[in-house]
Amino acid sequence: KQEVTQIPAALSVPEGENLVLNCSFTDSAIYNLQWFRQDPGKGLTSLLLIQSSQREQTSGRLNASLDKSSGRSTLYIAASQPGDSATYLCAAGGSGGGADGLTFGKGTHLIIQP
Amino acid sequence: DAGVIQSPRHEVTEMGQEVTLRCKPISGHNSLFWYRQTMMRGLELLIYFNNNVPIDDSGMPEDRFSAKMPNASFSTLKIQPSEPRDSAVYFCASILRPMGTEAFFGQGTRLTVV
Repeated sequence: KQEVTQIPAALSVPEGENLVLNCSFTDSAIYNLQWFRQDPGKGLTSLLLIQSSQREQTSGRLNASLDKSSGRSTLYIAASQPGDSATYLCAAGGSGGGADGLTFGKGTHLIIQP
Repeated sequence: DAGVIQSPRHEVTEMGQEVTLRCKPISGHNSLFWYRQTMMRGLELLIYFNNNVPIDDSGMPEDRFSAKMPNASFSTLKIQPSEPRDSAVYFCASILRPMGTEAFFGQGTRLTVV
């Protein structure tokens, strides 16, 4: 059974810093890996999707990498802003013919201090 | 497309009552997932459908939970009878398989059972 772990559970940094959020998964036979953002009381917003054949994806100030062999993914946020404050979740997509659901970590609660 | 639409957004019910949560996936998506989110356990996959057919319901906690997808544009998650420990936020997500594209989530239904 796939297990996803996110470290750290919480992070507070001053505005402008670059930061890295970590995600690890136990079963490397994943279909893809997706990073989400969740604001308090809201749904999940997809940030980046990395297919199993890819190494990284970039969107604006966000860069996500994937190392299947080691079971790790990182989300890099450059020049952090107070608006980046949210909970960030990573989810591993199962490899059961692409039909499995996403297994989520418990998230990193990020606070960017103005 | 308006995205994944869930209703109601909030539900407060008394223990023992039947609760029905509704979801309309993104048009054209062929897989639908129901998740439950709590502080203690994070996001848990309850059940998912592929082309309206339930594929894996091993995440459904008890027989009190049931889900249906009568057509490609509608799904329900029913809890009967409801219990206080069912209080959580329930999310619906849809995806287009088998290309492994992004999963899109609804805004969730916050269920409180008193």
